Order: sequence, then structure tokens, then C-alpha cells
Amino acid sequence: AQSVSQHNHHVILSEAASLELGCNYSYGGTVNLFWYVQYPGQHLQLLLKYFSGDPLVKGIKGFEAEFIKSKFSFNLRKPSVQWSDTAEYFCAVSGYSTLTFGKGTMLLVSP
Amino acid sequence: DVKVTQSSRYLVKRTGEKVFLECVQDMDHENMFWYRQDPGLGLRLIYFSYDVKMKEKGDIPEGYSVSREKKERFSLILESASTNQTSMYLCASSRSEGTDTQYFGPGTRLTVL
Repeated sequence: AQSVSQHNHHVILSEAASLELGCNYSYGGTVNLFWYVQYPGQHLQLLLKYFSGDPLVKGIKGFEAEFIKSKFSFNLRKPSVQWSDTAEYFCAVSGYSTLTFGKGTMLLVSP
Repeated sequence: DVKVTQSSRYLVKRTGEKVFLECVQDMDHENMFWYRQDPGLGLRLIYFSYDVKMKEKGDIPEGYSVSREKKERFSLILESASTNQTSMYLCASSRSEGTDTQYFGPGTRLTVL
């Protein structure tokens, strides 16, 4: 069975600070990896995904993530956060048929 | 754009009531999913369906059932609601199996009194 661990439950940053949210997964086979984001009052939406190829994946709104197979990690990064990045972020791993989500990281960016 | 709609944004029910949560997607997706979202627990899969009249249990199916009579519609049923089923319920759909992007509805916040 697959599992996902997100390192931080809450992160507070000031605008322009750099962001890195940790995600580690456990799965024995080929994985597909996702980061979803839920802005306050909005639907959960896809931020970026990794299926194969270049392990550095770029997503919307300046976010990127790096797949490091040897470390079973898929950390999310952004060089300079904005107040509008305040949201809850979920890492997810897909094995054969279903997604398994992490418990989420709530990011609060202060202006 | 893919659109996933859920019948209610907020719902208040009493213990023991039968509750129906409806989800409709407009992109002819094969797969549909029901999750519940609780603070500190993330999203947990309740049931999913790969085709009409087909259903599979997820991680936490106890106390729930589902129905998929039409491709675009996937219903979650709480046969006898209990207070521990108070939660946010999210529906999602995808074109193919777990490797594909899932598109989520706005959620239904259910309170069971």
C-alpha cells in the first residue's frame, strides 16, 4: 500500500521568503506524484504533477517540485511567496489505481 | 474546463437520517471518487467507481454506500448518519485510473447533529 508523509502541518512565512514543503512517499512500484492546493473557500486544484522524465517539474503560479527517487521525496518549492499563496497544500501519490493524499500543510503568508 | 458539481455546499442532518450527496461531472470521465476531508487528516478515500454500476471500496467505506447509475453522476449515501460523519465531503473525477489528474468539486460540508 502507498503512503505519503508531509513534514510540516503549519508553515508561516513573510512575503518574499522562499518556500520548501517536504513530502515523502512510500510505494514499491512506479509512482506518479502530485501537489494539489486548496485556496480559502475554493476547490482543491492541481498545482503540478510528475509522471516521468525530467524530475524537476514546474507548475502554476511559479511553483516547482523535484522528484528524488533515491530519497522517495517530492518537495514543493517557490523562490518568493506572495500573500495570495496562503492555502493548504497536499502532496499525493498514485500507484496503480487511486491517489493517496498526505495530511496537508497549511501555509500562511503574512504581508 | 472540467466541471464537477455537488448538490449542496452545506447540509445539516440529524443522527439516524439517511443522507444523499450527489455529484455530477460534465467531462465524460470514466472515474469518480468520494473523499472526506478532516482537519489534520487530509483527504481519505471512501469509495470510487471506474464505470457505471461499478464501485470499489476505498480506505474508509464503513457507514457509507454509493450509487452510479449514469456515467456523469456518482452518489454517496449515508444509510444512518452519525455524528462522527460530520465532515467535508469532496467528489472528484478523472479520465483514467489513478495516474490521471483528478478534478474536484467544491465540497459539501455535512453536519450531523
